[in-house]
Amino acid sequence: GENVEQHPSTLSVQEGDSAVIKCTYSDSASNYFPWYKQELGKRPQLIIDIRSNVGEKKDQRIAVTLNKTAKHFSLHITETQPEDSAVYFCAALARGSQGNLIFGKGTKLSVKP
Amino acid sequence: NAGVTQTPKFRVLKTGQSMTLLCAQDMNHEYMYWYRQDPGMGLRLIHYSVGEGTTAKGEVPDGYNVSRLKKQNFLLGLESAAPSQTSVYFCASSWTSGSFVHEQFFGPGTRLTVL
Repeated sequence: GENVEQHPSTLSVQEGDSAVIKCTYSDSASNYFPWYKQELGKRPQLIIDIRSNVGEKKDQRIAVTLNKTAKHFSLHITETQPEDSAVYFCAALARGSQGNLIFGKGTKLSVKP
Repeated sequence: NAGVTQTPKFRVLKTGQSMTLLCAQDMNHEYMYWYRQDPGMGLRLIHYSVGEGTTAKGEVPDGYNVSRLKKQNFLLGLESAAPSQTSVYFCASSWTSGSFVHEQFFGPGTRLTVL
């Protein structure tokens, strides 16, 4: 079945720096890749997603890139702020699934003021 | 709209006890999911439902049962709780249009401890 690997597991940056989180997936038929942000004690919330028919998508300070050939996608956060501190999860839509996502194990991002 | 809600928020059980977690959504979504979240393990799918009266197994279904008697509700049951089921449980819902998958919306979670 689908497998999603996420790196790094922890990431610490200074406020204002950029942060990059990378994920790889195994199923070449996957066509939907969302990113979720989870603050401590809260529910995961979608921050950006990308579909396999585009290579990049941006939303203000957040961008996601997708390389279908290499089967990897990345989250880029620019001009990081302390409120960006959270755990970020990538996910991929499993083959033949009915909306079933396979999640990476998460990256804990800490932004130091 | 309340979105996705979960009941209860916290629960402590003794080994062997049973309980039911309730998930409700008011967005008229067809699809509903139950996940468990353990430290360092991400979100793992337990069971899911693609419509009223239907359920299917996810990645880690053992020890759990589910029911979807009404479109807006998805129940997760533990018949005989074990310490390995100590976790945070999240419910989610979503909808699709043809082959187009839309965002999953998550509930606030239920923190379950099994002693």
